[in-house]
Amino acid sequence: EDQVTQSPEALRLQEGESSSLNCSYTVSGLRGLFWYRQDPGKGPEFLFTLYSAGEEKEKERLKATLTKKESFLHITAPKPEDSATYLCAVQEAANSGYALNFGKGTSLLVTP
Amino acid sequence: NAGVTQTPKFRVLKTGQSMTLLCAQDMNHEYMYWYRQDPGMGLRLIHYSVGEGTTAKGEVPDGYNVSRLKKQNFLLGLESAAPSQTSVYFCASSPGLVSRETQYFGPGTRLLVL
Repeated sequence: EDQVTQSPEALRLQEGESSSLNCSYTVSGLRGLFWYRQDPGKGPEFLFTLYSAGEEKEKERLKATLTKKESFLHITAPKPEDSATYLCAVQEAANSGYALNFGKGTSLLVTP
Repeated sequence: NAGVTQTPKFRVLKTGQSMTLLCAQDMNHEYMYWYRQDPGMGLRLIHYSVGEGTTAKGEVPDGYNVSRLKKQNFLLGLESAAPSQTSVYFCASSPGLVSRETQYFGPGTRLLVL
């Protein structure tokens, strides 16, 4: 059973059409939840870290929220340059070396 | 700061050949990681290091070896490459020593094993 599940797998939005990406997780002790953006042919780029339920963080058109079982990445009025794959990862308290468990990602396409 | 760099960017190997992937970071980070990314599988941890001279196994370590002789470098070796090791390999580093540390990724090495 996957510890981190992201949905949807793919999402197509029109420019300006707001939406949310979901990341649900099943870990016994959450140390942190991370969001990354990955463009084709490049490495993941760090966006946010959330540590406890109720926490929210914002960056430009992106806002990440966290509950005890899931995280949402809200995209407000997206632009074509927001097109990318968004990765969610959890860091368990039990993971030595602070290793991350990644979801499979949501591929976002924003059309003009 | 260059951040995390990886060499080579792309490599083609024949089955049974060996090679070493190099990761370097200039952020004085303690922890370093090697991941592989395959379609439909997400990023999976191969090996990691919590400091110079230390290494540990991750989720998918078979067929790989690593070394961390210098703090800034983390090497991933394939002794006898197999087609199943065709993948994109990412190195990451984090400050370590305290909890909740963010990992910063390199640009990746694309490896094709024929």
